[in-house]
Amino acid sequence: EIVLTQSPGTLSLSPGERATLSCRASQSVSSSYLAWYQQKPGQAPRLLIYGASSRATGIPDRFSGSGSGTDFTLTISRLEPEDFAVYYCQQYGSSPGTFGGGTKVEIK
Amino acid sequence: QVQLVQSGAEVKKPGASVKVSCKVSGYTLTELSMHWVRQAPGKGLEWMGGFDPEDGETIYAQKFQGRVTMTEDTSTDTAYMELSSLRSEDTAVYYCATYFAYDAFDIWGQGTMVTVSS
Repeated sequence: EIVLTQSPGTLSLSPGERATLSCRASQSVSSSYLAWYQQKPGQAPRLLIYGASSRATGIPDRFSGSGSGTDFTLTISRLEPEDFAVYYCQQYGSSPGTFGGGTKVEIK
Repeated sequence: QVQLVQSGAEVKKPGASVKVSCKVSGYTLTELSMHWVRQAPGKGLEWMGGFDPEDGETIYAQKFQGRVTMTEDTSTDTAYMELSSLRSEDTAVYYCATYFAYDAFDIWGQGTMVTVSS
């Protein structure tokens, strides 16, 4: 089973600042099958990024994903008030499709 | 537009079983690969299992092997997840999820809260 470790656990930033979230895998993720999700309290997760760097429909271009192999990054170029939430990475290249523990982006 | 609508909240006693449903609208269940993910209160997401179209079989996370059964009723486009021998640690929100436009989970149900308490 591939273990995903997300860091930091919590990121305290102000609106307008840049957020950089890390997701490190215990083994290489097959064919960059790495996704990022955003989750707000009381809501289901929402897909932001798939294939490590492709944005899902309707996702603003301030969200970008990068990386390959074992190291992946989600960048939010300029935080908007609605971006404060918890973010999860997931690898779906090998079974089981594991999730990272999440990074909470909170208002400083 | 594909939507997943789940059944309502459940309260169960330890040792009992729970069966959560997930109804597909806007598409047919046979054309989707349904998966189940759970989230304990204040915790992260945990994949439980789902349909693998390459093998044509449902695969389960090892942690839930022997306790979980995922089934489908294609006549009503409804997927089910049954978890048995419930314990307090199974208290969580259970989501059904599938990949439709992409190869990651882009469609999620609204979640079903299952509380296990004596």
